[in-house]
Amino acid sequence: QKEVEQNSGPLSVPEGAIASLNCTYSDRGSQSFFWYRQYSGKSPELIMSIYSNGDKEDGRFTAQLNKASQYVSLLIRDSQPSDSATYLCAVNDGSSASKIIFGSGTRLSIRP
Amino acid sequence: GEEVAQTPKHLVRGEGQKAKLYCAPIKGHSYVFWYQQVLKNEFKFLISFQNENVFDETGMPKERFSAKCLPNSPCSLEIQATKLEDSAVYFCASSLPGLNEQFFGPGTRLTVL
Repeated sequence: QKEVEQNSGPLSVPEGAIASLNCTYSDRGSQSFFWYRQYSGKSPELIMSIYSNGDKEDGRFTAQLNKASQYVSLLIRDSQPSDSATYLCAVNDGSSASKIIFGSGTRLSIRP
Repeated sequence: GEEVAQTPKHLVRGEGQKAKLYCAPIKGHSYVFWYQQVLKNEFKFLISFQNENVFDETGMPKERFSAKCLPNSPCSLEIQATKLEDSAVYFCASSLPGLNEQFFGPGTRLTVL
């Protein structure tokens, strides 16, 4: 069974610090990797996508991908209280072009 | 439209009743996906469409679940004879062809009593 693993948290980070979220996946055929943010009672919101090894930066967010280690991470710099949410790692199913597999999410709490 | 639209927001059904959920993808997006989210953020893929054609239905419990995407109509997900374990939030997502980035609608919360 193809899996995406995340630490469920909660991860508590002081305001202004860097939050680091990690994810591992089992399918070596996966080519597309995503981070979604989901506030309680709301739908997932795509915040980062990454397709090649290395780092990708967008504002305060940096996604990192290491396909050899089957590892994806998300760094959030200068964490704000509004960043408090569940972060879902998602990976495409290598055998089905359209299907993505979600991790169970990491709950992030930014403390003032 | 610019966002994925889902109706209704909430749906309450007695066990054994039928439930029908609707989804309008973002204009220009030819892929539509249905997911079921139960407790603890577990997302389960149900089915995907490429335009009106089923693309991947490996997640569908076929006995009671069916889905359609017909031209010029919202896509639909129908559950016949609902069971208590069908209680969940059902999300629809859409994407452009050739890209895997999926954008989610607000979801329909189904409660089966």
